Amino acid sequence: EAQVTQNPRYLITVTGKKLTVTCSQNMNHEYMSWYRQDPGLGLRQIYYSMNVEVTDKGDVPEGYKVSRKEKRNFPLILESPSPNQTSLYFCASSLLPYNEQFFGPGTRLTVL
Amino acid sequence: ELKVEQNPLFLSMQEGKNYTIYCNYSTTSDRLYWYRQDPGKSLESLFVLLSNGAVKQEGRLMASLDTKARLSTLHITAAVHDLSATYFCAVDMGDYKLSFGAGTTVTVRA
Repeated sequence: EAQVTQNPRYLITVTGKKLTVTCSQNMNHEYMSWYRQDPGLGLRQIYYSMNVEVTDKGDVPEGYKVSRKEKRNFPLILESPSPNQTSLYFCASSLLPYNEQFFGPGTRLTVL
Repeated sequence: ELKVEQNPLFLSMQEGKNYTIYCNYSTTSDRLYWYRQDPGKSLESLFVLLSNGAVKQEGRLMASLDTKARLSTLHITAAVHDLSATYFCAVDMGDYKLSFGAGTTVTVRA
């Protein structure tokens, strides 16, 4: 089944404890992206990647890192999480950058 | 800075009636997307609009794009309960960065 998977789906952590949220797609898509969703703000793009080893900042990259070493995987890394990074995170991918994006199920992160 | 504004933010629809959601954006772009999100779920793509004058229709939903006016509309015909969801427009800011609107939460009542 063609899909975007994210792990974990739920995570509660404490300030400063490094974490990684994984994202994987099995559709051979070139474009991948991370978003955070907060009430009343819609989705805001954190980072995106046009292809392997190519990543760019979105609107809200501060406090996040990404890597794209393989086409299928695009992990989101929070080196030192803070409470203001408590949010719902979505990973998405598309065949090409201007195509429709397919979204993962979301990861709900709480930073205490 | 590109801003994407949707209105209304909340829309209570009566079954069988027609409604429109508006998406305005503040700079030139000819790539606009509509997504739907059901409560507690992820987003799914509805429409991709890639040029001025583009019009796409699927069932009771029709989306259009006017790049000169920097406006897209999502028209709902004869609303039904299944259309209750939050609808987002997203605009390509250039270089394939996407900026989303705040979303329009739609509730369809009998």
